[in-house]
Amino acid sequence: TQLLEQSPQFLSIQEGENLTVYCNSSSVFSSLQWYRQEPGEGPVLLVTVVTGGEVKKLKRLTFQFGDARKDSSLHITAAQPGDTGLYLCAGEGNSGNTPLVFGKGTRLSVIA
Amino acid sequence: DSGVTQTPKHLITATGQRVTLRCSPRSGDLSVYWYQQSLDQGLQFLIQYYNGEERAKGNILERFSAQQFPDLHSELNLSSLELGDSALYFCASSRAGDSYEQYFGPGTRLTVT
Repeated sequence: TQLLEQSPQFLSIQEGENLTVYCNSSSVFSSLQWYRQEPGEGPVLLVTVVTGGEVKKLKRLTFQFGDARKDSSLHITAAQPGDTGLYLCAGEGNSGNTPLVFGKGTRLSVIA
Repeated sequence: DSGVTQTPKHLITATGQRVTLRCSPRSGDLSVYWYQQSLDQGLQFLIQYYNGEERAKGNILERFSAQQFPDLHSELNLSSLELGDSALYFCASSRAGDSYEQYFGPGTRLTVT
């Protein structure tokens, strides 16, 4: 069974600070996706990374896929209150048609 | 707005009852996925349909069933409801049969009393 561990579980920071959240597994994934979910809403796809070592930037958010395609990180620069939410990573399996495996998420709170 | 619609937004029902949740995928998407999200379990995959056929099955209870219709909308049926079935139920859709890049609906909050 493929599992994704996200850390930290909870993070509370001041506006303007930088942060990194992690998504780790012992399994290889063909792609890894990051979602952000706000309370009472569905997850919103932020980015998909496919190639080992790939780095993608989305404004103040930087996503990296590990060289071995087993882990990923999300770095936020100069966090803003609007970044508050649950950040979920999800891996697409490497063998045939397998459903996405979701981590339990990092709950981020950015205080003004 | 992801383009995925779900109804109803909220549902309150009693134990032992049966409910139906409905989902319409984004235009052009052939796959529909159903997920259950509770505070302690996170987002749990239930089942996937692709172009009307069941494609993958996850942790779906026997009391639960789903189908995808010719117009590609999907319904999730939950029967003999228990208190522990209270959760958010999300539908997601994607273009093809693989799990690449799913777009989620706003969810249905089910409360079983």
